[in-house]
Amino acid sequence: QSALTQPASVSGSPGQSITISCTGTSSDIGIYSYVSWYQHHPGKAPKLMIYDVNNRPSGVSNRFSGSKSGNTASLTISGLQTEDEADYYCSSYTITNTRVFGGGTKLTVL
Amino acid sequence: EVQLLESGGGLVQPGGSLSLSCAASGFTFSSYAMTWVRQAPGKGLECVSSISGSGDNTNYADSVKGRFTISRDNSKNTLYLQMNGLRAEDTAVYYCAKDLRYKWNPTDTFDIWGQGTMVTVSS
Repeated sequence: QSALTQPASVSGSPGQSITISCTGTSSDIGIYSYVSWYQHHPGKAPKLMIYDVNNRPSGVSNRFSGSKSGNTASLTISGLQTEDEADYYCSSYTITNTRVFGGGTKLTVL
Repeated sequence: EVQLLESGGGLVQPGGSLSLSCAASGFTFSSYAMTWVRQAPGKGLECVSSISGSGDNTNYADSVKGRFTISRDNSKNTLYLQMNGLRAEDTAVYYCAKDLRYKWNPTDTFDIWGQGTMVTVSS
């Protein structure tokens, strides 16, 4: 069982918006703004999409945005495109000085 | 181009040893902490071990402490993971990942990942 809880799957149609949630506790997401989101196409290297809750690395589309409320972080993808179909993982720094991940969410673009 | 390339994975018997390498290119290797992250089949990601840019600081997940050793050779731009006393539960794809900003700060995130190398522990 992963430290952070994500839905196993979400889906949307091209052009729509979807949101993936990531629920932690008051020992991680609830007290730190060190939440990251990664996109992973199986067989390829994971890609950093969001860091420090809502910051995008250079080169990442502004269709990707992050937020946090209480113990839950969220990744929103607007204007869904077929190439967005992938697995998405959240991560957070924790009170035990470690970094933990969610179990991953499979995004299907219908 | 910034790149990480893992190697050394394979099939090993329980109790055996394996050494993984991660060759880095395209950035000043010694300026960044590095981490090994693994993903067991059908499971989520897990940080296995991290090392500071200088190599002076390391940490390990409780699940591998005393069995795995992380190291780096900054002259060769290479990260290593020596795995001893391997167990079936160590079966996973092992990724090396670069910290975004710091030589050593566990709050940091991973901005570059390799494609991974598969380790299978089975008799």
